Amino acid sequence: SQTIHQWPATLVQPVGSPLSLECTVEGTSNPNLYWYRQAAGRGLQLLFYSVGIGQISSEVPQNLSASRPQDRQFILSSKKLLLSDSGFYLCACKVETQYFGPGTRLLVL
Amino acid sequence: AQSVTQPDIHITVSEGASLELRCNYSYGATPYLFWYVQSPGQGLQLLLKYFSGDTLVQGIKGFEAEFKRSQSSFNLRKPSVHWSDAAEYFCAVTIAYSGAGSYQLTFGKGTKLSVIP
Repeated sequence: SQTIHQWPATLVQPVGSPLSLECTVEGTSNPNLYWYRQAAGRGLQLLFYSVGIGQISSEVPQNLSASRPQDRQFILSSKKLLLSDSGFYLCACKVETQYFGPGTRLLVL
Repeated sequence: AQSVTQPDIHITVSEGASLELRCNYSYGATPYLFWYVQSPGQGLQLLLKYFSGDTLVQGIKGFEAEFKRSQSSFNLRKPSVHWSDAAEYFCAVTIAYSGAGSYQLTFGKGTKLSVIP
């Protein structure tokens, strides 16, 4: 069965600093991968999804970007963080259905 | 566009009592339906899913859900709640289609469950 790792678990960053969140998947190949953001009281918002290496689809306009340099690696980035980027970021992998990683809590100050 | 509504933001039940969490979806075609549970600070764990067939589906931790097409609902139930069930529960839907695609999930805003000892 697949295992999803997210790193780091918690991150505190100043406004305007860069961001790199990593998601890696074990136990499956060529999965669909997803980045979600969960803000308090707002449910889950799909940010990006990828159906293969180098293929990224964006769901919402924002200052975030995503990349998939390897089959089982999905990276969420920003050049300059905003206060509104604070939240809980979840990576998911679709095999038969979507399974989620443990999440990264980001606080932008 | 598809949407998912969880009408109850917060529910409190006593331990041992029965539980029903409501979920309604809006989509013209046959959806795939899911329930996830999230403990504080954790990722989402899949409880159960409905793709086709028997409309009553069994999941992990003693949960079940019933798909009612006529009501566009997929309510989650448990006959006897345990204190460890306190968490937030999310209903989700995706389009049922074959072939390559994103299988994007649309989530409800969640229902927070509190359990009184």
